Amino acid sequence: EVQVVESGGDLIKPGESLRLSCAASGFTFSNAWMNWVRQAPGKGLEWVGRIKSKTDGGTTDYAAPVKGRFTISRDDSKNTLYLQMNSLKTEDTAVYYCTTDPRIGGRYFQHWGQGTLITVSP
Amino acid sequence: DIQMTQSPSSLSASVGDRVTITCRASHSVSTYLNWYHQNPGKAPKLLIYAASSLQSGVPSRFSGSGSGTDFTLTISSLQPEDFGTYYCQQSYEIPYTFGQGTKLEIK
Repeated sequence: EVQVVESGGDLIKPGESLRLSCAASGFTFSNAWMNWVRQAPGKGLEWVGRIKSKTDGGTTDYAAPVKGRFTISRDDSKNTLYLQMNSLKTEDTAVYYCTTDPRIGGRYFQHWGQGTLITVSP
Repeated sequence: DIQMTQSPSSLSASVGDRVTITCRASHSVSTYLNWYHQNPGKAPKLLIYAASSLQSGVPSRFSGSGSGTDFTLTISSLQPEDFGTYYCQQSYEIPYTFGQGTKLEIK
C-alpha cells in the first residue's frame, strides 16, 4: 500500500526557517516525481513545487510565491522528501501536503499524505 | 500562468441527482486536466486524471470529459459521501494550477 506521511509542522515566527519531511513507502521512491501542495486555512489548493527523480535529472520547479525561499530535496536512501522553508511569511500559513506523481497516462497527484500544519505568526 | 475557473462555485443538490461541474482553462491544456474531491479536514483525493481516466477505486458514477480549454466532471447519481469540495487542476505546464473549487452541499 502506498503511503506518504508528512511531519515537521509547527508554530513559528515570520522570518524563521522550518524543514518538513515526507516519509514514503509502498512504491519505488527513487523513481518517483514528488510534489508539495499547500492549502491555507479556508482556502483552495496551491501547488508549491516539484522534484523529479534522479534518473530524470533530479531537477526542481517552484511556484513564484516560494521561489528563492523554499527548497525541495530528496534522500532516496531514506525514502524521504524534504521541504526546506526559509524567510517564512504569514501568508505561508497552510497545511502542506506531499503528493506522488506516477506519470502514467498523464501527470497528476495520485497519493496524498494527511498534511502537516505550518502556522507563521508574530 | 494558466488560470483555471470552475463553475459554479457552490451547488446544492440532493442524493440521486445528476451533477455537472465545469472547469475552463485560460489557455489550452490539451487533456492534462485532473479532478479531486476533498472533505473538510481531509486530504484531497484523485478522482479523474487526463481529463477522462477514472482513478482506480473511484466509483463509475464519476466521469470526466473535455479537451483544450473546457472540461466537465459529472456525477451520475449523487451519493451522501460525494458532498464536499471539488477541484480541477492543470498539469500541462509549470506552475501547476488549480481551480478555486466547487463546494457541493446537501439540499
